[in-house]
Amino acid sequence: GAVVSQHPSRVICKSGTSVKIECRSLDFQATTMFWYRQFPKQSLMLMATSNEGSKATYEQGVEKDKFLINHASLTLSTLTVTSAHPEDSSFYICSARDYLGSNEKLFFGSGTQLSVL
Amino acid sequence: AQSVTQLDSQVPVFEEAPVELRCNYSSSVSVYLFWYVQYPNQGLQLLLKYLSGSTLVKGINGFEAEFNKSQTSFHLRKPSVHISDTAEYFCAVSDGRAGRRALTFGSGTRLQVQP
Repeated sequence: GAVVSQHPSRVICKSGTSVKIECRSLDFQATTMFWYRQFPKQSLMLMATSNEGSKATYEQGVEKDKFLINHASLTLSTLTVTSAHPEDSSFYICSARDYLGSNEKLFFGSGTQLSVL
Repeated sequence: AQSVTQLDSQVPVFEEAPVELRCNYSSSVSVYLFWYVQYPNQGLQLLLKYLSGSTLVKGINGFEAEFNKSQTSFHLRKPSVHISDTAEYFCAVSDGRAGRRALTFGSGTRLQVQP
């Protein structure tokens, strides 16, 4: 089945540094990828929708200058947390949309646990 | 806009007992409905989904869910749970119309299967 690879699975960084998270669709082309954020014991909250070759669409309240999203190819989207602070510590999950004829499927990466010290 | 409500944050149950995890949604348009499972430190895995057709949907690991349009519910059921079913379960909804299909998730239900 289709697989979405997300790296790194865990990252610890110092406050003020930037962190890049990669999301790859391994055996299908994903024209659309979604980025979610999950706080402990809470649900996933959509941060942004990433379309290949165009600017990402951010949800209300998500700082686009802080969470930079690049979707330069049909198999790769990246989320960069710029100047990270402890409140950015969270679990980040990407998902990629695969169209199989008229059947659409969403696949999720395994997530990235970001800890900002 | 859509919203999803999972009333039970935690559901403890003994092994081999039946379980139902409740999910209600609200939407002004037609929707697709999903149940996902999340094991510790992992991403989400699709259990089952309702797009159209039969309102009783069967998924993986012996789970099933029934779409009830009049009650705007999509409860998840399993007749006999195993210890390995212990995980977080999320109900989700997406806009059934063409175009953007991001998912809106419920707050999750922690299923705790006890021996």
